[in-house]
Amino acid sequence: KQEVTQIPAALSVPEGENLVLNCSFTDSAIYNLQWFRQDPGKGLTSLLLIQSSQREQTSGRLNASLDKSSGRSTLYIAASQPGDSATYLCAVKDSNYQLIWGAGTKLIIKP
Amino acid sequence: DAMVIQNPRYQVTQFGKPVTLSCSQTLNHNVMYWYQQKSSQAPKLLFHYYDKDFNNEADTPDNFQSRRPNTSFCFLDIRSPGLGDAAMYLCATSLSSGVSYEQYFGPGTRLTVT
Repeated sequence: KQEVTQIPAALSVPEGENLVLNCSFTDSAIYNLQWFRQDPGKGLTSLLLIQSSQREQTSGRLNASLDKSSGRSTLYIAASQPGDSATYLCAVKDSNYQLIWGAGTKLIIKP
Repeated sequence: DAMVIQNPRYQVTQFGKPVTLSCSQTLNHNVMYWYQQKSSQAPKLLFHYYDKDFNNEADTPDNFQSRRPNTSFCFLDIRSPGLGDAAMYLCATSLSSGVSYEQYFGPGTRLTVT
Protein backbone atom coordinates (compact mmCIF):
# COMPACT_ATOMS: atom_id res chain seq x y z
CA LYS A 1 0.00 0.00 0.00
CA GLN A 2 1.37 3.38 -1.05
CA GLU A 3 2.17 5.78 1.77
CA VAL A 4 3.31 9.38 1.42
CA THR A 5 5.21 11.16 4.18
CA GLN A 6 6.16 14.80 4.55
CA ILE A 7 8.75 15.76 7.12
CA PRO A 8 8.89 18.13 8.91
CA ALA A 9 5.25 18.83 9.71
CA ALA A 10 6.11 22.49 10.27
CA LEU A 11 8.96 24.76 9.29
CA SER A 12 9.74 28.39 10.12
CA VAL A 13 12.46 30.33 8.29
CA PRO A 14 13.45 34.00 7.93
CA GLU A 15 12.42 35.88 4.83
CA GLY A 16 14.87 35.68 1.94
CA GLU A 17 16.20 32.21 2.70
CA ASN A 18 16.15 29.38 0.21
CA LEU A 19 14.41 26.28 1.56
CA VAL A 20 13.58 22.69 0.70
CA LEU A 21 10.43 20.75 1.52
CA ASN A 22 10.56 16.97 1.46
CA CYS A 23 8.13 14.31 0.31
CA SER A 24 8.77 10.55 0.37
CA PHE A 25 6.70 7.65 -0.91
CA THR A 26 6.97 3.92 -0.34
CA ASP A 27 6.05 2.49 -3.77
CA SER A 28 7.99 3.70 -6.78
CA ALA A 29 5.19 2.61 -9.15
CA ILE A 30 3.71 6.06 -9.56
CA TYR A 31 2.47 7.88 -12.62
CA ASN A 32 3.20 11.38 -11.41
CA LEU A 33 3.73 13.52 -8.33
CA GLN A 34 2.06 16.83 -7.66
CA TRP A 35 2.81 19.63 -5.22
CA PHE A 36 -0.04 21.75 -3.89
CA ARG A 37 -0.32 24.86 -1.77
CA GLN A 38 -3.12 25.36 0.76
CA ASP A 39 -3.72 28.65 2.53
CA PRO A 40 -5.53 28.50 5.90
CA GLY A 41 -9.18 27.58 5.48
CA LYS A 42 -8.89 27.54 1.71
CA GLY A 43 -8.82 25.02 -1.11
CA LEU A 44 -5.81 23.55 -2.89
CA THR A 45 -3.76 25.25 -5.59
CA SER A 46 -1.64 23.06 -7.84
CA LEU A 47 1.96 24.28 -8.01
CA LEU A 48 3.87 21.73 -10.03
CA LEU A 49 3.23 18.31 -11.55
CA ILE A 50 6.12 15.97 -12.38
CA GLN A 51 5.44 12.99 -14.63
CA SER A 52 7.16 9.74 -13.68
CA SER A 53 9.52 10.07 -16.65
CA GLN A 54 10.65 13.53 -15.59
CA ARG A 55 13.30 14.55 -13.07
CA GLU A 56 12.20 18.08 -12.30
CA GLN A 57 9.80 20.91 -13.04
CA THR A 58 10.24 24.64 -12.50
CA SER A 59 7.82 27.51 -12.08
CA GLY A 60 9.19 30.89 -11.09
CA ARG A 61 10.92 30.58 -7.73
CA LEU A 62 9.75 26.98 -7.32
CA ASN A 63 11.61 23.89 -8.42
CA ALA A 64 10.38 20.36 -7.80
CA SER A 65 12.51 17.28 -8.27
CA LEU A 66 11.58 13.61 -8.44
CA ASP A 67 13.72 10.54 -7.75
CA LYS A 68 11.45 7.54 -8.23
CA SER A 69 14.05 4.95 -7.38
CA SER A 70 14.60 6.40 -3.92
CA GLY A 71 10.95 7.39 -3.45
CA ARG A 72 11.67 11.06 -2.89
CA SER A 73 10.64 14.46 -4.13
CA THR A 74 11.73 17.89 -3.02
CA LEU A 75 10.18 21.31 -3.48
CA TYR A 76 12.78 24.05 -3.54
CA ILE A 77 11.64 27.60 -2.85
CA ALA A 78 14.14 30.33 -3.68
CA ALA A 79 14.29 33.71 -1.94
CA SER A 80 11.33 32.99 0.33
CA GLN A 81 8.73 35.71 1.00
CA PRO A 82 6.09 36.10 3.73
CA GLY A 83 3.46 35.42 1.04
CA ASP A 84 4.88 31.91 0.67
CA SER A 85 3.54 31.06 4.12
CA ALA A 86 1.06 28.21 3.66
CA THR A 87 0.77 24.45 3.96
CA TYR A 88 2.43 22.53 1.15
CA LEU A 89 1.11 19.08 0.27
CA CYS A 90 2.47 16.48 -2.10
CA ALA A 91 0.43 13.73 -3.71
CA VAL A 92 1.37 10.80 -5.95
CA LYS A 93 -0.88 9.25 -8.56
CA ASP A 94 -0.75 5.51 -7.98
CA SER A 95 -1.37 2.55 -10.28
CA ASN A 96 -5.14 2.91 -9.70
CA TYR A 97 -5.00 6.55 -10.90
CA GLN A 98 -5.84 7.73 -7.38
CA LEU A 99 -4.02 10.53 -5.59
CA ILE A 100 -2.29 9.41 -2.39
CA TRP A 101 -1.55 12.39 -0.18
CA GLY A 102 0.98 13.44 2.39
CA ALA A 103 -0.24 15.31 5.47
CA GLY A 104 1.62 18.48 4.45
CA THR A 105 4.33 20.78 5.75
CA LYS A 106 3.17 24.04 7.32
CA LEU A 107 5.61 26.73 6.24
CA ILE A 108 5.97 30.07 8.02
CA ILE A 109 8.20 32.77 6.54
CA LYS A 110 9.14 35.35 9.16
CA PRO A 111 9.47 38.96 7.92
CA ASP B 1 -12.24 32.11 -16.18
CA ALA B 2 -12.94 28.42 -16.14
CA MET B 3 -13.11 27.21 -12.60
CA VAL B 4 -14.46 24.94 -9.88
CA ILE B 5 -17.04 26.60 -7.64
CA GLN B 6 -18.26 25.37 -4.28
CA ASN B 7 -21.28 26.65 -2.39
CA PRO B 8 -21.65 27.55 0.32
CA ARG B 9 -18.13 28.33 1.51
CA TYR B 10 -19.20 27.86 5.13
CA GLN B 11 -22.05 25.65 6.31
CA VAL B 12 -23.32 25.13 9.82
CA THR B 13 -25.71 22.28 10.47
CA GLN B 14 -27.15 20.59 13.51
CA PHE B 15 -26.31 17.09 14.62
CA GLY B 16 -28.45 14.69 12.59
CA LYS B 17 -29.86 17.34 10.23
CA PRO B 18 -29.30 16.49 6.55
CA VAL B 19 -27.08 18.84 4.63
CA THR B 20 -26.13 19.21 0.95
CA LEU B 21 -22.94 20.73 -0.39
CA SER B 22 -22.71 21.90 -3.98
CA CYS B 23 -19.96 21.89 -6.58
CA SER B 24 -20.09 23.23 -10.12
CA GLN B 25 -17.48 23.47 -12.83
CA THR B 26 -17.05 25.40 -16.04
CA LEU B 27 -14.12 23.28 -17.23
CA ASN B 28 -16.33 20.67 -18.91
CA HIS B 29 -14.32 17.93 -17.21
CA ASN B 30 -15.49 14.35 -17.19
CA VAL B 31 -14.43 13.48 -13.67
CA MET B 32 -15.59 15.08 -10.43
CA TYR B 33 -14.22 14.16 -6.99
CA TRP B 34 -15.26 14.79 -3.41
CA TYR B 35 -12.64 14.85 -0.66
CA GLN B 36 -12.96 15.26 3.09
CA GLN B 37 -10.12 17.07 4.87
CA LYS B 38 -9.92 17.31 8.64
CA SER B 39 -7.68 19.78 10.39
CA SER B 40 -3.95 19.21 9.74
CA GLN B 41 -4.67 16.02 7.81
CA ALA B 42 -4.36 15.00 4.19
CA PRO B 43 -7.48 15.07 2.00
CA LYS B 44 -9.37 11.79 1.98
CA LEU B 45 -11.17 10.73 -1.19
CA LEU B 46 -14.84 9.93 -0.54
CA PHE B 47 -16.00 9.12 -4.09
CA HIS B 48 -15.80 10.27 -7.67
CA TYR B 49 -17.86 10.32 -10.84
CA TYR B 50 -16.52 9.51 -14.26
CA ASP B 51 -19.31 11.00 -16.35
CA LYS B 52 -22.34 9.32 -14.76
CA ASP B 53 -20.43 6.35 -13.40
CA PHE B 54 -20.23 6.56 -9.61
CA ASN B 55 -17.18 5.19 -7.80
CA ASN B 56 -17.38 4.91 -4.04
CA GLU B 57 -14.29 4.42 -1.89
CA ALA B 58 -14.53 1.28 0.22
CA ASP B 59 -14.24 3.10 3.54
CA THR B 60 -16.66 5.96 2.80
CA PRO B 61 -19.48 5.79 5.34
CA ASP B 62 -23.01 5.13 4.07
CA ASN B 63 -23.97 8.45 5.63
CA PHE B 64 -22.32 10.15 2.63
CA GLN B 65 -24.07 10.14 -0.74
CA SER B 66 -23.50 11.97 -3.99
CA ARG B 67 -25.46 13.02 -7.04
CA ARG B 68 -24.32 14.26 -10.41
CA PRO B 69 -27.36 15.43 -12.39
CA ASN B 70 -25.29 16.78 -15.30
CA THR B 71 -21.70 17.39 -16.36
CA SER B 72 -21.44 20.71 -14.54
CA PHE B 73 -22.86 19.92 -11.12
CA CYS B 74 -22.12 17.46 -8.36
CA PHE B 75 -23.64 17.34 -4.88
CA LEU B 76 -22.50 15.83 -1.61
CA ASP B 77 -25.34 14.79 0.71
CA ILE B 78 -24.68 13.98 4.34
CA ARG B 79 -27.80 12.25 5.57
CA SER B 80 -27.25 12.48 9.33
CA PRO B 81 -24.19 14.55 10.16
CA GLY B 82 -22.29 13.65 13.29
CA LEU B 83 -19.76 15.75 15.16
CA GLY B 84 -17.02 13.72 13.50
CA ASP B 85 -18.15 14.91 10.07
CA ALA B 86 -17.06 18.48 10.73
CA ALA B 87 -14.35 19.11 8.15
CA MET B 88 -13.41 20.91 4.98
CA TYR B 89 -15.04 19.31 1.94
CA LEU B 90 -13.14 19.75 -1.29
CA CYS B 91 -14.47 19.24 -4.79
CA ALA B 92 -12.06 18.60 -7.64
CA THR B 93 -12.32 17.91 -11.35
CA SER B 94 -10.12 16.41 -14.02
CA LEU B 95 -10.54 15.99 -17.75
CA SER B 96 -10.07 12.26 -17.37
CA SER B 97 -8.84 9.83 -14.76
CA GLY B 98 -5.79 8.67 -16.66
CA VAL B 99 -2.13 9.13 -16.06
CA SER B 100 -1.45 12.68 -17.15
CA TYR B 101 -4.52 14.49 -15.97
CA GLU B 102 -4.29 17.04 -13.19
CA GLN B 103 -7.01 17.58 -10.64
CA TYR B 104 -8.31 21.12 -10.21
CA PHE B 105 -9.73 22.03 -6.83
CA GLY B 106 -12.46 24.35 -5.67
CA PRO B 107 -12.08 26.60 -2.61
CA GLY B 108 -13.81 24.11 -0.33
CA THR B 109 -16.81 24.19 2.00
CA ARG B 110 -16.08 24.22 5.71
CA LEU B 111 -18.78 22.25 7.53
CA THR B 112 -19.48 22.82 11.20
CA VAL B 113 -21.78 20.45 13.10
CA THR B 114 -23.36 21.76 16.31
